[in-house]
Amino acid sequence: DTAVSQTPKYLVTQMGNDKSIKCEQNLGHDTMYWYKQDSKKFLKIMFSYNNKELIINETVPNRFSPKSPDKAHLNLHINSLELGDSAVYFCASSPFQETQYFGPGTRLLVL
Amino acid sequence: GESVGLHLPTLSVQEGDNSIINCAYSNSASDYFIWYKQESGKGPQFIIDIRSNMDKRQGQRVTVLLNKTVKHLSLQIAATQPGDSAVYFCAERSQGAGGTSYGKLTFGQGTILTVHP
Repeated sequence: DTAVSQTPKYLVTQMGNDKSIKCEQNLGHDTMYWYKQDSKKFLKIMFSYNNKELIINETVPNRFSPKSPDKAHLNLHINSLELGDSAVYFCASSPFQETQYFGPGTRLLVL
Repeated sequence: GESVGLHLPTLSVQEGDNSIINCAYSNSASDYFIWYKQESGKGPQFIIDIRSNMDKRQGQRVTVLLNKTVKHLSLQIAATQPGDSAVYFCAERSQGAGGTSYGKLTFGQGTILTVHP
């Protein structure tokens, strides 16, 4: 199926741990994004890569580090997890500056 | 069900009615607008988009209206069905410095649509 996929779907971990979320798209898009959705459903962009190059870097703690090994993949590594990091993280992809298509989300719970 | 303390605007309609979901956007320089539908436990799903040089765009059962004078966007769903129940988000793309936004979208708060059979 053509889609944006994320792994894992659920992630439960202890405070202070380091974790990674992976994203892959097979839509042939040049641009990929990470969004955070909080408990009030508010969606906010965190990062964006275009052709493996960082183009959007919002005010996000530097514990969050995106990495794009190639155009089809954008991973998110989080160091020293905190309670406030609990949220749903969505990956999205698009042709450059065009409509974004979202993955199914990764539900992160930090205990 | 929704979380305690979730205070999104809500709209309840009967199956077969028409629904109108409204959105006020913030930046008069925004040039592109999108409506997304998010069902419980899923990612936002693209519904319809409109560019700032248009006032109206129609899709299958959905129409988006753009009023740039008052910075208002609406989504009309005809003959609403129970499967339309979801949270609906509008998003705007603003041009940044140098004329490019790199596709950065700013999302509205969302509206919960509930369709009763």
